[in-house]
Amino acid sequence: GNSVTQMEGPVTLSEEAFLTINCTYTATGYPSLFWYVQYPGEGLQLLLKATKADDKGSNKGFEATYRKETTSFHLEKGSVQVSDSAVYFCALLSNFGNEKLTFGTGTRLTIIP
Amino acid sequence: NAGVTQTPKFQVLKTGQSMTLQCAQDMNHEYMSWYRQDPGMGLRLIHYSVGAGITDQGEVPNGYNVSRSTTEDFPLRLLSAAPSQTSVYFCASRIAGVGYEQYFGPGTRLTVT
Repeated sequence: GNSVTQMEGPVTLSEEAFLTINCTYTATGYPSLFWYVQYPGEGLQLLLKATKADDKGSNKGFEATYRKETTSFHLEKGSVQVSDSAVYFCALLSNFGNEKLTFGTGTRLTIIP
Repeated sequence: NAGVTQTPKFQVLKTGQSMTLQCAQDMNHEYMSWYRQDPGMGLRLIHYSVGAGITDQGEVPNGYNVSRSTTEDFPLRLLSAAPSQTSVYFCASRIAGVGYEQYFGPGTRLTVT
């Protein structure tokens, strides 16, 4: 079946540091890949997505590239801010079968001033 | 356009009680789903629906029922609450098809004592 493995947290960084959160996946076919972010006390919201190999999703300074050869979709940001503190979820949506969105376990990110 | 709404925001139940978590969306999305979020486990799919009158089970359906009589509403019923159902519940909706963003409600925090 489909699965998503993402970097264990929590991750603590200083403001303006470089961020990488690793995400790898297992899926049949050609899934779409997503990063969702959850701020404290809120639901999840889409951060970025990529729907085919070599696509790069980007939003709010975050980027992730769909790498089919390494089955990865790592999230990066060049200079994090305190406001980026949240939980980040990698997810995939397979184009086979019932279109269920499969999530990783989430990575809690804390940015300290 | 309210997006995905959920009620109540918080609920405390005693073991054996039943209740219904409400979910509604005003975006005319075909696909709706319910997830539970537990620490260290990411989001797990409980039930989903690809349109009015059509529902199916996700990963963790036991103890929950759903129905989809309209496109807008997708209530989740707990038949006989158990402490293991203490969790945060999220409803989500999207356009059917690969690559479309999933929109989440704000969540319901349920405690079963």
